[in-house]
Amino acid sequence: KQEVTQIPAALSVPEGENLVLNCSFTDSAIYNLQWFRQDPGKGLTSLLLIQSSQREQTSGRLNASLDKSSGRSTLYIAASQPGDSATYLCAVDAGNMLTFGGGTRLMVKP
Amino acid sequence: DTAVSQTPKYLVTQMGNDKSIKCEQNLGHDTMYWYKQDSKKFLKIMFSYNNKELIINETVPNRFSPKSPDKAHLNLHINSLELGDSAVYFCASSHRGRVNTEAFFGQGTRLTVV
Repeated sequence: KQEVTQIPAALSVPEGENLVLNCSFTDSAIYNLQWFRQDPGKGLTSLLLIQSSQREQTSGRLNASLDKSSGRSTLYIAASQPGDSATYLCAVDAGNMLTFGGGTRLMVKP
Repeated sequence: DTAVSQTPKYLVTQMGNDKSIKCEQNLGHDTMYWYKQDSKKFLKIMFSYNNKELIINETVPNRFSPKSPDKAHLNLHINSLELGDSAVYFCASSHRGRVNTEAFFGQGTRLTVV
């Protein structure tokens, strides 16, 4: 059974810092991995999707990497801003469903 | 144009009542899901439907009954609501087994059972 873990559970950084969020999964038989953002009381917004054959994807200040063989993904956020404050979730798609990690709650202080 | 829309957004009801949540997607996806987000914010799969056929039922009580009239709709009916059913329920859709297709989520239905 696929298990997804995210570290750290919470992170507080001053504005302008670069930061890395970690995601690990136990079963490497995946189609893709997605990173989502969730603001308090809101739904999930897709940030990046990395296909199983890809090593990384970039969107603006966000860069996600995938090492399928070791079951790891990272989300790198450059030059963090207060508006980046949210919960970040990673999810792996094994075909029948997405399995989510517990999320990293990020606070960027002005 | 909302990709995945679910209604209602908020639902407050008494214990023992029966309620339904509706979900529709206009993305042409073949697979739809219901997820439950508990008070600790953990997202857990409840059901997965592919082309109107149930493919995942993740140990959900029988009081929860999903219905998919067509590929674009997946509704969730809950009988005899209990306090522990209070949570946020998310509908989502994607293409099953495709490496390059994002999953999209609705805005959630916050269910409060009193």
